[in-house]
Parts: sequence; structure tokens; C-alpha cells
Amino acid sequence: RKEVEQDPGPFNVPEGATVAFNCTYSNSASQSFFWYRQDCRKEPKLLMSVYSSGNEDGRFTAQLNRASQYISLLIRDSKLSDSATYLCVVRVMDSSYKLIFGSGTRLLVRP
Amino acid sequence: GAVVSQHPSRVICKSGTSVKIECRSLDFQATTMFWYRQFPKQSLMLMATSNEGSKATYEQGVEKDKFLINHASLTLSTLTVTSAHPEDSSFYICSAPPGLSSYNEQFFGPGTRLTVL
Repeated sequence: RKEVEQDPGPFNVPEGATVAFNCTYSNSASQSFFWYRQDCRKEPKLLMSVYSSGNEDGRFTAQLNRASQYISLLIRDSKLSDSATYLCVVRVMDSSYKLIFGSGTRLLVRP
Repeated sequence: GAVVSQHPSRVICKSGTSVKIECRSLDFQATTMFWYRQFPKQSLMLMATSNEGSKATYEQGVEKDKFLINHASLTLSTLTVTSAHPEDSSFYICSAPPGLSSYNEQFFGPGTRLTVL
């Protein structure tokens, strides 16, 4: 079983739609959670951190359920520029602080 | 945000040659840098953790004699793919957390696309 699992998609939605991505992680020792965005053939860029209380940044809302080991990302009012691959990332609290990446969910926003 | 550069951005080489990739933190010091590899349509996979002044820590299944890592200074880590073969063709990305603690947010380099013929 993968440490971080995501639906690969693609999610094909019209502009203005609301879309939600889910992610599950297997290591209960995971301490920090993030959503990264990766454009084709580019490096990943931090979209937002995910906190237990849930957090919002403009059109983006992230939620964390530690009991279910589940993370979500909601994008409202989708823009064409939101088309990308969204990576769910966790950090395990050990001495390495390394990041574990999900395989990503691809989003295509059409006009 | 902090800036991490990689060089070269793209390299094409013949099978059997060695390729060196540089990762630099431009405006901060990093005692730790991470090297990832990403195959098409797959996730980033951590290869190794580069530690300034000490040996790198390799992930399970990554050959340390094939992927040589040197963290010579607080702003530079290098990955050398020795005797590269076509199966080593991939997107190699480094990341670095600013400061002494690798707990800080990691900033990614733009990646190096390696093609081995």
C-alpha cells in the first residue's frame, strides 16, 4: 500500500466549477500536511499547508481528518489557470523530516 | 520565497557516461538538501538526503555507488549519476529547507531532465 494515496484523475471541469480532491495517508506518525501544485515538466510549488482546524486561502480550502487519516482540497470557482497536478504531501515526524508525496491528481479546467 | 537553482536544466548523454547535477540555494544556507526523482506520470520519490559535512542518507533501493552525492558547502549539493543507462532517464529535483532545521518549508529547484540514449 502506498504511503500517500490519491485519485489520479483527470478531473475535467468547466470554468467556475467547484472540485474536490481527496487523499489518504497510511502512517499515523505523519505530522505535517501540505498540498503542492505541479505544472507539466516543472517543479512542485507549495499551494498551502493543511491544519487540523481546516484552513482557507482564497478559493482554496483544505481539511484534515487525523482520525481517518484523510486530507482534502476544495477549489471553488475554478479558473483555466488552475489546470495542473495537485500533490498531497505528508511529513513524518522522525529525524529526517522528509516529505512523502502522493502521485498527484490531475485537474483540467475547460473554457 | 527562497530560491533554489539547479544546473543543468536538461541533459542528454550516451549510455555509460556520468552526469553531474548541481543544486544551489541562492539566498539562504541549507544544511540539508533532498534529492528526488520523478518518472513520467508518477510521484516524486525521495532518493537521498544530502547532509553538509557528512555522508548522504539514501532511501531503500537507491544505489549509493551509482548516485553519488556531495554536499560540499551550505549552499551546494551535487548528484552524480555514474555510468548512466536509459532506465536512469528521469526528472531529478532537489529541495532545500532554509536554516539549520530541515523542518522548515522546503523550496524546490526547477529540476533537471536527464535523457540517456
